[in-house]
Amino acid sequence: TQLLEQSPQFLSIQEGENLTVYCNSSSVFSSLQWYRQEPGEGPVLLVTVVTGGEVKKLKRLTFQFGDARKDSSLHITAAQTGDTGLYLCAGGGVGETSGSRLTFGEGTQLTVNP
Amino acid sequence: DTAVSQTPKYLVTQMGNDKSIKCEQNLGHDTMYWYKQDSKKFLKIMFSYNNKELIINETVPNRFSPKSPDKAHLNLHINSLELGDSAVYFCASSKWEVAGGVQFFGPGTRLTVL
Repeated sequence: TQLLEQSPQFLSIQEGENLTVYCNSSSVFSSLQWYRQEPGEGPVLLVTVVTGGEVKKLKRLTFQFGDARKDSSLHITAAQTGDTGLYLCAGGGVGETSGSRLTFGEGTQLTVNP
Repeated sequence: DTAVSQTPKYLVTQMGNDKSIKCEQNLGHDTMYWYKQDSKKFLKIMFSYNNKELIINETVPNRFSPKSPDKAHLNLHINSLELGDSAVYFCASSKWEVAGGVQFFGPGTRLTVL
Protein backbone atom coordinates (compact mmCIF):
# COMPACT_ATOMS: atom_id res chain seq x y z
CA THR A 1 0.00 0.00 0.00
CA GLN A 2 1.37 3.38 -0.99
CA LEU A 3 1.28 6.05 1.72
CA LEU A 4 1.93 9.77 1.59
CA GLU A 5 2.86 11.68 4.72
CA GLN A 6 2.33 15.40 4.80
CA SER A 7 3.92 17.81 7.21
CA PRO A 8 3.13 19.90 9.01
CA GLN A 9 -0.46 18.91 9.65
CA PHE A 10 -1.33 22.43 10.82
CA LEU A 11 0.37 25.71 10.04
CA SER A 12 -0.64 29.17 11.26
CA ILE A 13 1.41 32.12 10.04
CA GLN A 14 1.22 35.86 9.55
CA GLU A 15 0.57 37.47 6.21
CA GLY A 16 3.84 38.09 4.35
CA GLU A 17 5.68 35.08 5.78
CA ASN A 18 7.05 32.22 3.69
CA LEU A 19 6.20 28.57 4.28
CA THR A 20 6.93 25.10 2.97
CA VAL A 21 4.72 22.03 3.08
CA TYR A 22 6.24 18.60 2.59
CA CYS A 23 4.85 15.41 1.15
CA ASN A 24 6.93 12.25 1.65
CA SER A 25 6.68 8.58 0.84
CA SER A 26 8.81 5.47 0.64
CA SER A 27 7.04 4.61 -2.62
CA VAL A 28 7.69 5.89 -6.12
CA PHE A 29 4.86 7.77 -7.78
CA SER A 30 4.31 8.33 -11.50
CA SER A 31 3.02 11.82 -10.82
CA LEU A 32 2.35 14.10 -7.90
CA GLN A 33 -0.60 16.44 -7.74
CA TRP A 34 -1.32 19.25 -5.30
CA TYR A 35 -4.86 20.28 -4.49
CA ARG A 36 -6.33 23.05 -2.36
CA GLN A 37 -9.62 22.66 -0.54
CA GLU A 38 -11.64 25.51 0.94
CA PRO A 39 -14.37 25.03 3.55
CA GLY A 40 -17.58 23.59 2.12
CA GLU A 41 -16.01 22.78 -1.23
CA GLY A 42 -14.21 19.95 -2.94
CA PRO A 43 -10.45 19.90 -3.59
CA VAL A 44 -9.29 21.85 -6.64
CA LEU A 45 -6.12 21.01 -8.55
CA LEU A 46 -3.23 23.45 -8.27
CA VAL A 47 -0.52 21.64 -10.20
CA THR A 48 0.73 18.27 -11.48
CA VAL A 49 4.41 17.33 -11.58
CA VAL A 50 5.50 14.22 -13.44
CA THR A 51 9.28 14.30 -13.89
CA GLY A 52 11.79 13.67 -11.10
CA GLY A 53 13.39 16.97 -10.10
CA GLU A 54 10.68 19.00 -11.82
CA VAL A 55 9.95 22.47 -10.47
CA LYS A 56 6.79 24.36 -11.34
CA LYS A 57 5.83 27.88 -10.34
CA LEU A 58 2.32 29.23 -10.02
CA LYS A 59 2.64 32.92 -9.06
CA ARG A 60 3.85 32.82 -5.42
CA LEU A 61 3.63 29.02 -5.20
CA THR A 62 6.58 26.80 -6.11
CA PHE A 63 6.15 23.04 -6.42
CA GLN A 64 8.99 20.53 -6.59
CA PHE A 65 8.99 16.81 -7.31
CA GLY A 66 11.87 14.90 -5.76
CA ASP A 67 14.52 13.37 -7.99
CA ALA A 68 13.45 9.86 -7.00
CA ARG A 69 9.74 10.73 -7.40
CA LYS A 70 9.05 9.79 -3.78
CA ASP A 71 8.52 13.24 -2.32
CA SER A 72 7.33 16.73 -3.13
CA SER A 73 7.23 20.17 -1.59
CA LEU A 74 5.07 23.25 -1.88
CA HIS A 75 6.63 26.59 -1.05
CA ILE A 76 4.55 29.74 -0.71
CA THR A 77 6.29 33.10 -0.76
CA ALA A 78 4.78 36.12 1.00
CA ALA A 79 1.62 34.30 2.07
CA GLN A 80 -1.70 36.11 1.81
CA THR A 81 -4.94 35.55 3.71
CA GLY A 82 -6.42 34.15 0.51
CA ASP A 83 -3.94 31.26 0.68
CA THR A 84 -5.78 29.90 3.72
CA GLY A 85 -7.08 26.40 3.08
CA LEU A 86 -6.37 22.69 3.24
CA TYR A 87 -3.52 21.63 0.97
CA LEU A 88 -3.50 18.02 -0.20
CA CYS A 89 -0.83 16.16 -2.09
CA ALA A 90 -1.82 13.13 -4.15
CA GLY A 91 0.35 10.56 -5.86
CA GLY A 92 -0.44 8.69 -9.04
CA GLY A 93 0.41 4.99 -8.94
CA VAL A 94 3.01 3.16 -10.97
CA GLY A 95 2.01 0.39 -13.30
CA GLU A 96 -1.13 -0.71 -15.10
CA THR A 97 -2.71 -2.24 -12.01
CA SER A 98 -2.85 1.10 -10.24
CA GLY A 99 -5.19 2.40 -12.89
CA SER A 100 -6.22 5.99 -12.46
CA ARG A 101 -5.96 5.81 -8.68
CA LEU A 102 -4.56 8.63 -6.56
CA THR A 103 -3.19 8.21 -3.05
CA PHE A 104 -3.87 11.30 -0.95
CA GLY A 105 -1.76 12.67 1.87
CA GLU A 106 -3.35 13.59 5.19
CA GLY A 107 -3.46 17.28 4.32
CA THR A 108 -1.94 20.49 5.72
CA GLN A 109 -4.36 23.03 7.15
CA LEU A 110 -2.87 26.45 6.47
CA THR A 111 -4.16 29.57 8.18
CA VAL A 112 -2.74 32.92 7.14
CA ASN A 113 -3.55 35.65 9.65
CA PRO A 114 -3.82 39.31 8.66
CA ASP B 1 -22.08 24.94 -15.88
CA THR B 2 -21.13 22.83 -12.89
CA ALA B 3 -18.57 20.18 -13.88
CA VAL B 4 -19.24 17.67 -11.09
CA SER B 5 -22.45 18.04 -9.14
CA GLN B 6 -23.73 16.16 -6.10
CA THR B 7 -27.10 16.08 -4.41
CA PRO B 8 -27.97 16.65 -1.70
CA LYS B 9 -25.42 19.05 -0.23
CA TYR B 10 -26.51 18.21 3.32
CA LEU B 11 -28.13 15.04 4.61
CA VAL B 12 -29.26 14.58 8.21
CA THR B 13 -30.84 11.26 9.09
CA GLN B 14 -31.42 8.76 11.86
CA MET B 15 -29.40 5.64 12.52
CA GLY B 16 -30.73 2.63 10.65
CA ASN B 17 -32.16 4.60 7.72
CA ASP B 18 -31.23 4.07 4.07
CA LYS B 19 -30.09 7.04 1.98
CA SER B 20 -28.68 7.81 -1.46
CA ILE B 21 -26.33 10.46 -2.80
CA LYS B 22 -26.32 11.28 -6.48
CA CYS B 23 -23.40 12.44 -8.61
CA GLU B 24 -23.24 13.67 -12.18
CA GLN B 25 -20.36 14.96 -14.28
CA ASN B 26 -20.57 16.79 -17.60
CA LEU B 27 -16.84 16.69 -18.41
CA GLY B 28 -17.01 13.65 -20.65
CA HIS B 29 -14.79 11.67 -18.27
CA ASP B 30 -14.85 7.90 -18.23
CA THR B 31 -13.84 7.36 -14.59
CA MET B 32 -15.71 8.36 -11.46
CA TYR B 33 -14.92 8.02 -7.76
CA TRP B 34 -16.41 8.21 -4.30
CA TYR B 35 -14.30 9.48 -1.41
CA LYS B 36 -15.04 9.80 2.30
CA GLN B 37 -13.49 12.72 4.20
CA ASP B 38 -13.54 12.30 7.94
CA SER B 39 -13.38 14.94 10.67
CA LYS B 40 -9.58 14.97 10.43
CA LYS B 41 -9.90 15.90 6.75
CA PHE B 42 -8.34 12.66 5.53
CA LEU B 43 -9.64 11.87 2.03
CA LYS B 44 -10.10 8.12 1.61
CA ILE B 45 -11.02 6.43 -1.66
CA MET B 46 -14.07 4.20 -1.44
CA PHE B 47 -14.94 3.21 -4.99
CA SER B 48 -13.92 3.89 -8.54
CA TYR B 49 -15.77 3.11 -11.75
CA ASN B 50 -14.37 3.14 -15.27
CA ASN B 51 -16.89 3.02 -18.10
CA LYS B 52 -19.53 1.83 -15.64
CA GLU B 53 -17.30 -1.01 -14.43
CA LEU B 54 -16.18 -1.21 -10.78
CA ILE B 55 -12.37 -1.08 -10.63
CA ILE B 56 -11.60 0.02 -7.08
CA ASN B 57 -13.49 -1.25 -4.09
CA GLU B 58 -11.66 -0.42 -0.89
CA THR B 59 -12.46 -2.02 2.42
CA VAL B 60 -15.91 -0.52 2.62
CA PRO B 61 -18.83 -2.19 4.44
CA ASN B 62 -21.24 -3.81 2.03
CA ARG B 63 -23.91 -1.46 3.37
CA PHE B 64 -22.41 0.93 0.81
CA SER B 65 -23.40 0.15 -2.77
CA PRO B 66 -22.36 2.30 -5.69
CA LYS B 67 -24.32 2.26 -8.92
CA SER B 68 -23.27 3.68 -12.26
CA PRO B 69 -26.20 3.81 -14.72
CA ASP B 70 -23.97 5.47 -17.32
CA LYS B 71 -20.53 7.05 -17.61
CA ALA B 72 -21.80 10.44 -16.44
CA HIS B 73 -23.42 9.25 -13.22
CA LEU B 74 -22.23 7.46 -10.11
CA ASN B 75 -24.66 7.19 -7.23
CA LEU B 76 -23.97 5.96 -3.72
CA HIS B 77 -26.59 4.11 -1.71
CA ILE B 78 -26.07 3.47 1.97
CA ASN B 79 -28.15 0.98 3.93
CA SER B 80 -28.64 0.83 7.69
CA LEU B 81 -26.77 4.03 8.43
CA GLU B 82 -24.49 4.08 11.48
CA LEU B 83 -23.09 6.95 13.54
CA GLY B 84 -19.61 6.31 12.11
CA ASP B 85 -20.89 6.99 8.62
CA SER B 86 -21.10 10.70 9.45
CA ALA B 87 -18.59 12.44 7.17
CA VAL B 88 -18.36 14.46 3.99
CA TYR B 89 -18.64 12.33 0.86
CA PHE B 90 -17.04 13.59 -2.33
CA CYS B 91 -17.67 12.43 -5.85
CA ALA B 92 -14.92 13.01 -8.41
CA SER B 93 -14.25 12.25 -12.06
CA SER B 94 -11.24 12.01 -14.34
CA LYS B 95 -10.04 10.63 -17.60
CA TRP B 96 -8.61 7.14 -17.22
CA GLU B 97 -4.82 7.50 -17.06
CA VAL B 98 -2.35 4.91 -15.85
CA ALA B 99 -0.26 7.60 -14.16
CA GLY B 100 -3.22 8.98 -12.22
CA GLY B 101 -5.42 11.49 -14.00
CA VAL B 102 -6.34 14.90 -12.67
CA GLN B 103 -9.50 14.51 -10.64
CA PHE B 104 -12.32 17.01 -10.56
CA PHE B 105 -14.32 16.99 -7.35
CA GLY B 106 -17.91 17.77 -6.58
CA PRO B 107 -18.85 20.12 -3.72
CA GLY B 108 -19.38 17.28 -1.28
CA THR B 109 -22.33 15.92 0.67
CA ARG B 110 -22.18 16.37 4.43
CA LEU B 111 -23.88 13.35 5.97
CA THR B 112 -24.85 13.51 9.63
CA VAL B 113 -26.23 10.38 11.26
CA LEU B 114 -28.04 10.99 14.56
